[in-house]
Amino acid sequence: GEDVEQSLFLSVREGDSSVINCTYTDSSSTYLYWYKQEPGAGLQLLTYIFSNMDMKQDQRLTVLLNKKDKHLSLRIADTQTGDSAIYFCAEKVNKIIFGKGTRLHILP
Amino acid sequence: ETGVTQTPRHLVMGMTNKKSLKCEQHLGHNAMYWYKQSAKKPLELMFVYSLEERVENNSVPSRFSPECPNSSHLFLHLHTLQPEDSALYLCASSQEYGSVFSSGANVLTFGAGSRLTVL
Repeated sequence: GEDVEQSLFLSVREGDSSVINCTYTDSSSTYLYWYKQEPGAGLQLLTYIFSNMDMKQDQRLTVLLNKKDKHLSLRIADTQTGDSAIYFCAEKVNKIIFGKGTRLHILP
Repeated sequence: ETGVTQTPRHLVMGMTNKKSLKCEQHLGHNAMYWYKQSAKKPLELMFVYSLEERVENNSVPSRFSPECPNSSHLFLHLHTLQPEDSALYLCASSQEYGSVFSSGANVLTFGAGSRLTVL
C-alpha cells in the first residue's frame, strides 16, 4: 500500500540541529521529497532525493535515505527561527503521496 | 507575476451558495492539480489535469467541479457544500504529469491556497 508516516510535532532549541523523520511503505518509490509550509502559504519544495542515492546535502540541509528500512530523514543544521514551519515528507510512486507533516517549533 | 497564484485567498460561503476558486500559473507547466488540506490529515489529491485533459479524479464528490480552460488556468467550482468541506484548497503545477510513465522528479510548485469556510 501507499503510506507516508511522520511524527506531528518536533521542538528544537535555536542553534541546535533538527532531525525530522519519515517512513514510507512502497519500496518502488523513485523519488522522495521534503516540502516546507510556512504559515499562510502553500508548500515549497526544499529538496528531493532519487531513490538510488543515500545522502544529499544542500547548505544547512542533509537528507538521508535508508531504502532497506524505508526511512527518510531531514537534518537542519543550526536551526533558526525562520525554520519554524510544517515539513512534509512525500514519495513518488505512480503519483506523489504526502505525509501529514511535522510541525517544527523553535525554542529560544 | 510569477509562480502559482490563487484567488480568493479566503472565502466564506453558505451551504446553498455557488462559488469558484481560481488558480493561474505563469511557469509554462503542463500539469495542474487541486489538493485539499485539512487539519491533521494528509494532503488529499482531488484532481489532476495534464495538457488541459483531466487525468485523475480521486473519488471527489460531485459538489466539486473542476475546469481547465487552458494550460495556465484551473478552476474549482463549488456548489451545495457541507461544513466538512471547510479546508485549505491548494493548487499546484508541475512541468509534466507525474504518472508511473514519467521518469522525472515531478517537482510541484504550489500556490498559497484558498482558505474555504462553509457555514
